[in-house]
Amino acid sequence: DAMVIQNPRYQVTQFGKPVTLSCSQTLNHNVMYWYQQKSSQAPKLLFHYYDKDFNNEADTPDNFQSRRPNTSFCFLDIRSPGLGDAAMYLCATSRDYGTDTQYFGPGTRLTVL
Amino acid sequence: AQKVTQAQTEISVVEKEDVTLDCVYETRDTTYYLFWYKQPPSGELVFLIRRNSFDEQNEISGRYSWNFQKSTSSFNFTITASQVVDSAVYFCALSEYEMDSNYQLIWGAGTKLIIKP
Repeated sequence: DAMVIQNPRYQVTQFGKPVTLSCSQTLNHNVMYWYQQKSSQAPKLLFHYYDKDFNNEADTPDNFQSRRPNTSFCFLDIRSPGLGDAAMYLCATSRDYGTDTQYFGPGTRLTVL
Repeated sequence: AQKVTQAQTEISVVEKEDVTLDCVYETRDTTYYLFWYKQPPSGELVFLIRRNSFDEQNEISGRYSWNFQKSTSSFNFTITASQVVDSAVYFCALSEYEMDSNYQLIWGAGTKLIIKP
């Protein structure tokens, strides 16, 4: 089945220790998104790519970076995690921008000690 | 401005009861899409439905049904004969064709649905 895969499902890191979360997709979609979600709040968009064109949301902290080396993979790097970065991180894909449906992966739950 | 309101923060019903989750939206666009997602305790956001602004027909999928009314800017979701597995947070979201929102989905705050056995 075509799907969005995220690894790891659970990640524990220490305060200030860099961490990388990964996402892959077999849907062959052009757009990939990274969301942060805290405590059953609505997801908050951090970044999105159309193919390799990168778009950073204005209020995404500089501490967060992203890479998309090819169509299938996307990475979220948190350079110096703080306690406030503990959250669920969701990857999503869509065929195109705008009104196309976004399909989500299972998420990575990040704990910062 | 674009906005999605899910006024019900939490709903609790007993299994087999019918339950309706409300969604009210605001948009300036004439072309837009509305979505519902389910987020069970595992955390994955599961796509349920996408509906465009020109299609006001109600949709039924098994025990799930959706009522779209442009006149009241509402896109309500009903679960018939609820089951414990329906327990989740449900999000309503809006996507605009003109994309004043810079390609973002506009999310409601979510409604936590608890189905008691």
